[in-house]
Amino acid sequence: NAGVTQTPKFQVLKTGQSMTLQCAQDMNHEYMSWYRQDPGMGLRLIHYSVGAGITDQGEVPNGYNVSRSTTEDFPLRLLSAAPSQTSVYFCASSSLGAGETQYFGPGTRLLVL
Amino acid sequence: GENVEQHPSTLSVQEGDSAVIKCTYSDSASNYFPWYKQELGKRPQLIIDIRSNVGEKKDQRIAVTLNKTAKHFSLHITETQPEDSAVYFCAATYSGGGADGLTFGKGTHLIIQP
Repeated sequence: NAGVTQTPKFQVLKTGQSMTLQCAQDMNHEYMSWYRQDPGMGLRLIHYSVGAGITDQGEVPNGYNVSRSTTEDFPLRLLSAAPSQTSVYFCASSSLGAGETQYFGPGTRLLVL
Repeated sequence: GENVEQHPSTLSVQEGDSAVIKCTYSDSASNYFPWYKQELGKRPQLIIDIRSNVGEKKDQRIAVTLNKTAKHFSLHITETQPEDSAVYFCAATYSGGGADGLTFGKGTHLIIQP
């Protein structure tokens, strides 16, 4: 039981490049979410999903896309990276929703030059 | 939407003393309040949580209190130890259909002085 996994651990992009941050969980959780963490800030919700085929926007969704084709995977896509997207990205999952214990992945550190 | 304020941003205490971190929230519909501990370069880890039907919850040296009327909740750590040094985040949301995610405070850097 690996819990929540994220790849890559670290990535450097140039402005305008695209990439996908991977997130997977093996706990059969229905709810998955993406947060970004910037220095001096708490975590801010980007997108979330309450089940396969269902996604919705969080507090800071601009510049990011998500999809949820399976229960296990919830990738986050940056279509055209910008320096403002330099951050640490955490994926989280829980059995039912936001009001349950969230299990976080190890994070992806992204640097956009 | 929900807004969570957390104070202080930095807290330095002597080893063995108690530490208290306070948070306020704005949305009276919020009913789930977790606390996370994050060590440098690591993921946030849940240390304790409380729901609005309870005023206080304790787990060994850690306790959380909730005042629904005043919309604030606090984390109490007693007999602090060096391994308690970390950044602590409070958060709020409501459990039930339609909840999007957690709203976090900006964090408190707890420093345990030997």
